[in-house]
Amino acid sequence: AQSVTQLGSHVSVSEGALVLLRCNYSSSVPPYLFWYVQYPNQGLQLLLKYTTGATLVKGINGFEAEFKKSETSFHLTKPSAHMSDAAEYFCAVTRGSNDYKLSFGAGTTVTVRA
Amino acid sequence: IAGITQAPTSQILAAGRRMTLRCTQDMRHNAMYWYRQDLGLGLRLIHYSNTAGTTGKGEVPDGYSVSRANTDDFPLTLASAVPSQTSVYFCASSDEPNSPLHFGNGTRLTVT
Repeated sequence: AQSVTQLGSHVSVSEGALVLLRCNYSSSVPPYLFWYVQYPNQGLQLLLKYTTGATLVKGINGFEAEFKKSETSFHLTKPSAHMSDAAEYFCAVTRGSNDYKLSFGAGTTVTVRA
Repeated sequence: IAGITQAPTSQILAAGRRMTLRCTQDMRHNAMYWYRQDLGLGLRLIHYSNTAGTTGKGEVPDGYSVSRANTDDFPLTLASAVPSQTSVYFCASSDEPNSPLHFGNGTRLTVT
């Protein structure tokens, strides 16, 4: 069975600073990996995904993530935080086969200081 | 606008009452899901349906049931609500295996 661990339930960054959200996974087969963002009182929206191929994937709003198989990690970064990045972020993993079901991490709340 | 519609947006329910949360999608996606979101636990899968006519159990199915009579609708029923079912419930859909999920805006349920 797959599982996802997000390190840090809350991250606070200054506007313009680097955003780094950590995600580690365990999976018995090559995984498909996702990052979702949730703004207050809304559903989740896809930021980016890794399926196969290039291990550095770029998403919306300037975010990117790198799949590192040796470290079983899929950390999310953004070089320069913006006030609009304040939200909750979820890492998720599937089994990478013909399986629709996602397992989610507990989430990391990002606050951005002016 | 294409997407997922959930109803109601919020509900306060007395313990022991029956409640059905509605979910409709207009994207003709094959798969649909119900998740509950609780602070510190992220999203946990309750039930899912890979295609119309089939359903399956997720991580936390007890106390919930679903049906998938057609492609568009995937209602979630609480037969006899308990306070531990107080949560925010999200319906989602996806088109192909491992394609991204599309989420509704959620139903905030409080069981008293």
